[in-house]
Parts: sequence; C-alpha cells; structure tokens
Amino acid sequence: NAGVMQNPRHLVRRRGQEARLRCSPMKGHSHVYWYRQLPEEGLKFMVYLQKENIIDESGMPKERFSAEFPKEGPSILRIQQVVRGDSAAYFCASSPPNRGRHTGELFFGEGSRLTVL
Amino acid sequence: AQSVTQPDIHITVSEGASLELRCNYSYGATPYLFWYVQSPGQGLQLLLKYFSGDTLVQGIKGFEAEFKRSQSSFNLRKPSVHWSDAAEYFCAVANNAGNMLTFGGGTRLMVKP
Repeated sequence: NAGVMQNPRHLVRRRGQEARLRCSPMKGHSHVYWYRQLPEEGLKFMVYLQKENIIDESGMPKERFSAEFPKEGPSILRIQQVVRGDSAAYFCASSPPNRGRHTGELFFGEGSRLTVL
Repeated sequence: AQSVTQPDIHITVSEGASLELRCNYSYGATPYLFWYVQSPGQGLQLLLKYFSGDTLVQGIKGFEAEFKRSQSSFNLRKPSVHWSDAAEYFCAVANNAGNMLTFGGGTRLMVKP
C-alpha cells in the first residue's frame, strides 16, 4: 500500500526555466494539497485540489505558479520562469474523500526539493 | 484566520531526559490540532491529533499532548527522549472545514548522548 509518491525528489533548474513537480496520492485518496517549505521555515499552504477541481488556491503566488489534478494521472505543480526565491521543498499531501466531516489528517509525501541556480 | 506559534526554534535535551515542546494556537472555534515530526530530508509523519473529548491524547513513539483551551496551548511531551527522536516537530491547526492545515514554524530537537 504505497504512500504519497512525489517526483522528482530533487530538481535543479536555472533561472527562467520551468519546474514541474508531480504527486500521486495514496490509493483511494481524492484530495491533494501542496505545501511549500522555505529553508528554516515551516510549511505554508499553497493549494488544495480534488480531481479536475481547484478547491482553494489562496496560498498560491499570483504569477508563475499553477496546479492541476487531472481525472487521470498525478497532480502537477508547475512553476514557470523560476527565480532563486522559488528554491524550497515542495510537499504534497493527500486525504481520503469526505465522509461527513473532514478530519483534517493529511498524509505527506517525502517532498521535492527544488534548487534554482 | 487561524495561526500557530511554536516559541522555541531549537531545543537540546539529553538522552533519557523528559521533553516538552510548546505550541500555542489562535482559532475562533474548537480547534483540530496536530503534531507532526519531520526527519532530515523526509516528509512529515503524524504523531498525534486532537479533535474532541479527552484533552490528553496519546500518539506514536511514546509521545503525548495536552489540549488546554484556557491557555490556547497544545504542548507535546515525552517522558524519556531517545536519540532517534532528534528531528523537527511541527504543530498544526485545521480550519473549519478540516481541509487546510496551518503550521507553526517548527521546533528543531537535538538529543545529546
């Protein structure tokens, strides 16, 4: 029973390139969340998605960042024209479908560490 | 909006000593509270959670936490620390719908032999 799978684990990009980070949720989970962890800081919420829907993107930067969770395949976090300040660890988490009241418990992947040169 | 404060950025304890990591939250209603642990280069693992009921909750690896509404706190404790407990610990609170976690800045625990 695989957990949340993220790839790549490490990604190096030059300024101006694009970064694509992938997340496959746990089996049976239909909710995906992306969090960003800057060096020496806690995790900051970015976006919450269900299949083919963005539910809450209040934590996403207004420009260059986008996320999707298609009907088939993994969730993708895309960063266009990366800058040095995008260097961070990006964590994906998943949770099962709501059953009445959502419990808030998230299952995290091991993260994708982006380095922008 | 909810917020979480972990006042201690770094804590060092001796192996076998007791541990308490502080967490204070700000939230308008009854909170859902969590403690996660992150080992270097790894993702986050849930240690324990509080939704309602008994204010003292037990978690994995011998950890426990106590919810104190009057102090808006959810401190994490362990009676005897092991070297393998060295990691970063994050306290978090969930929003009304329970679908978004707000994390504290984390406390890095170091364990002396």
